[in-house]
Amino acid sequence: NAGVTQTPKFQVLKTGQSMTLQCAQDMNHNSMYWYRQDPGMGLRLIYYSASEGTTDKGEVPNGYNVSRLNKREFSLRLESAAPSQTSVYFCASSDPGQGFLAPLHFGNGTRLTVT
Amino acid sequence: RKEVEQDPGPFNVPEGATVAFNCTYSNSASQSFFWYRQDCRKEPKLLMSVYSSGNEDGRFTAQLNRASQYISLLIRDSKLSDSATYLCVVIDTGTASKLTFGTGTRLQVTL
Repeated sequence: NAGVTQTPKFQVLKTGQSMTLQCAQDMNHNSMYWYRQDPGMGLRLIYYSASEGTTDKGEVPNGYNVSRLNKREFSLRLESAAPSQTSVYFCASSDPGQGFLAPLHFGNGTRLTVT
Repeated sequence: RKEVEQDPGPFNVPEGATVAFNCTYSNSASQSFFWYRQDCRKEPKLLMSVYSSGNEDGRFTAQLNRASQYISLLIRDSKLSDSATYLCVVIDTGTASKLTFGTGTRLQVTL
C-alpha cells in the first residue's frame, strides 16, 4: 500500500538548472497538492489540482509549474532554480468526497538544495 | 498577525506528564480544524480532526473555542514516542486550497 510516492528524495541543483519533482498516488484521490516547508514558515501551498485536468495556483506559485498528467500523477517543475527555492517539498492528495474532514495524505518529501 | 499561530516550543516534559498546546486562528469564518503530527525529517500525518463539541482519541483530546478563536490539543500520560512537532491546520472553505498550516509546536518527552 504505497499511498503517495515522491521522487527524488534528495536533490542538489545549481542556480539556473531545471528539474521536475514527480508525485504519484494510488488511492484514487481526485485532488493533489504541492507544498513547500521552510523553517519558521509552516507548509505553504505552491499549486494544487482539484481534479484531473485542472490546476490552480496556491500561495507561492512563482518559479514553479505543474502538470496533472493523469489522475495518479502530479509533477512540479522548476524551470530555473534559485537559492530561494531551497526547501523541503511535499506532495499530498485528498479525497474531497469526504467533505471538510478530508485529510491530506503526504508523500515522504523531497529535500532540494539550490546552490 | 499570522493566519494561524502556534507557540514553537520546544515543550520539554517528562514521560507520564500531561501537556497542552494551543493554536490561534485569525479568520472567524474558519470552518474545519485538524491536528497533524510531524516527526523529524518526515511527512506530516493526520493526528485528529477537531469537532465543535471537542473530541477524544485515547490519550489525545482536541478542543475548539470559536469565541476566542483557538484550538487546543491535550496529551495525557505522555510517551517518549509522542516526541514530534504538532501542526494545527485550519480550513476556511470546503476546499483544501484554503487550508492553512501553523508552523508547529515541538514536543520533546524525556525519561
